[in-house]
Amino acid sequence: GENVEQHPSTLSVQEGDSAVIKCTYSDSASNYFPWYKQELGKRPQLIIDIRSNVGEKKDQRIAVTLNKTAKHFSLHITETQPEDSAVYFCAASPGYALNFGKGTSLLVTP
Amino acid sequence: NAGVTQTPKFRVLKTGQSMTLLCAQDMNHEYMYWYRQDPGMGLRLIHYSVGEGTTAKGEVPDGYNVSRLKKQNFLLGLESAAPSQTSVYFCASSYHGQGNTEAFFGQGTRLTVV
Repeated sequence: GENVEQHPSTLSVQEGDSAVIKCTYSDSASNYFPWYKQELGKRPQLIIDIRSNVGEKKDQRIAVTLNKTAKHFSLHITETQPEDSAVYFCAASPGYALNFGKGTSLLVTP
Repeated sequence: NAGVTQTPKFRVLKTGQSMTLLCAQDMNHEYMYWYRQDPGMGLRLIHYSVGEGTTAKGEVPDGYNVSRLKKQNFLLGLESAAPSQTSVYFCASSYHGQGNTEAFFGQGTRLTVV
């Protein structure tokens, strides 16, 4: 089955800096790559996703890039704010279920 | 529009007891999923369903059973709870399958087995 590796497991940045989280996947059939944000004690919520026919997607301060040849994708957050502090999960899907990475705990300090 | 609702939100079980977690969605989604979340382990798929009357095993199915008798409901059962099943359980649903569209999560059920 699909195996998703996510790095780093923890990330601390100062407010205003950029944050980058990277993921790799194993199943070449995966064609959907979402990113979820989970605040403490809450449910995961989708923040951005990308499909295999697209190399990059942006939504305000958030962007995701995908390299299908290398089987890796990344989340980029620019101009970080304290409210960006949360756990971020990447996922990959070959069509029937999402396989998640183990998460990155992002801390943005003022 | 409630989205995905899980019942109960919290539960404490003794080892060997049984219980059922209920997931209900009002978005007419075909696909439904049960995940467990443990510290440092991400979200691991337990079982999933691609439609009413169907179920399939995920990554960590042992010790759990599921049923999808109605399209809007997906039940997760623990027949004989073990301390290793202490976790936060999330239900999710999506329309075309999580390969193509957004998955919506319930609020989670925190289960402790003592």
